[in-house]
Amino acid sequence: EAQLVESGGGLVQPGASLRLSCAASGFIFTSSCMSWVRQAPGKGLEWVANIKQDGSEKYYVDSVKGRFTISRDNTKNSLYLEMNSLRAEDTAVYYCARGTVLNDAFDLWGQGTMVTVSS
Amino acid sequence: DIQMTQSPSSVSASVGDRVTITCRASQGLSSWLAWYQQKPGKAPKLLISAASSLQSGVPSRFSGSGSGTGFTLTISSLQPEDFATYYCQQANSFPWTFGQGTKVEIK
Repeated sequence: EAQLVESGGGLVQPGASLRLSCAASGFIFTSSCMSWVRQAPGKGLEWVANIKQDGSEKYYVDSVKGRFTISRDNTKNSLYLEMNSLRAEDTAVYYCARGTVLNDAFDLWGQGTMVTVSS
Repeated sequence: DIQMTQSPSSVSASVGDRVTITCRASQGLSSWLAWYQQKPGKAPKLLISAASSLQSGVPSRFSGSGSGTGFTLTISSLQPEDFATYYCQQANSFPWTFGQGTKVEIK
């Protein structure tokens, strides 16, 4: 069964760094574009970043450009999100999501990991 | 950035009702539009991609239509398990964006 499992969330102070991980299993990871999507408490969904199958292309929402870095290790079937200079507005549940074959939607989601930025 | 606007923001409906949710894009999307269902405390679930392509395992009471800037999600006969929040999402151009969500509540 295809599965995504996120880890690495927690409570950090403003300005701190955090690295999220997403372990993929049950499907051919190297064939899939991957994204991070977040959801602030009580709010809607916000796409954060996307990475192509071989890691050659990366895209970010403007609010995280220069602070967040998406990466992947295809030898470990893993996706990562390095988050620096965290702000209170980054507080959210962060989901790892797999792109469809056409990379036009997210057809597999993890359970999410909570990131709280607060002093 | 492409802005996605859903309407209504919430709808109260009864089991068996027909429910229609609209999503409007600030720029043309062709058919690069997806719909998701999210229940409290759970990850979103993909219902429809490419505006009208039903995902495997999704009940046929869900349907999507539209192209360009106007899209709809229709639930033909609302079931108890359909009470949830629904989001549209555009994948025409980065940054990908979601609508603000439509909460379908029990009447």
